[in-house]
Amino acid sequence: GAGVSQSPRYKVAKRGQDVALRCDPISGHVSLFWYQQALGQGPEFLTYFQNEAQLDKSGLPSDRFFAERPEGSVSTLKIQRTQQEDSAVYLCASRGLGTGELFFGEGSRLTVL
Amino acid sequence: DQQVKQNSPSLSVQEGRISILNCDYTNSMFDYFLWYKKYPAEGPTFLISISSIKDKNEDGRFTVFLNKSAKHLSLHIVPSQPGDSAVYFCAATTTGANSKLTFGKGITLSVRP
Repeated sequence: GAGVSQSPRYKVAKRGQDVALRCDPISGHVSLFWYQQALGQGPEFLTYFQNEAQLDKSGLPSDRFFAERPEGSVSTLKIQRTQQEDSAVYLCASRGLGTGELFFGEGSRLTVL
Repeated sequence: DQQVKQNSPSLSVQEGRISILNCDYTNSMFDYFLWYKKYPAEGPTFLISISSIKDKNEDGRFTVFLNKSAKHLSLHIVPSQPGDSAVYFCAATTTGANSKLTFGKGITLSVRP
């Protein structure tokens, strides 16, 4: 597609439920990033993929967070046993070779009740 | 520890006047800086960037200035238009294939007609 696509746009989960958020990056972009944006804050880095390899997961807040990109294209961010503090917008971004800027999707807003 | 700081949470200017958005950083390893614009319910969109080898970069109504010795950059918008009303994020990174962006908290700009 023309841009980064994320789904679902909105997700409401009960505390303790597992959720999965999907990201479809710009075609041909090898780099894929996940960010978490809490209300009133800037995006915070979660994890980074180059093709299918997860090269940096230093921003994942706990072992309840897991990301994968098995074929080097679509990525899924999974959050197990969701907690209220997980409520945020989860942004996916991709980047082409030789460029510095990231192209962001519209985000998935997660609300944990 | 905030490595990228946007200390003013909001700014209001009159249409046609100049908007100046400020950003400070603490990590001297950062060598590439970007500004993103975000409308409600949308993902951040890239606006303009500057490399540390330059002190100014201009693109239409938008100019970014970099003062490396002060670890300070600013975004100038002139003339400001009501459509510029949005949240503006400053971001910084070190150049390299695996580099992630570190964002500030953002500044909400309101341009009054």
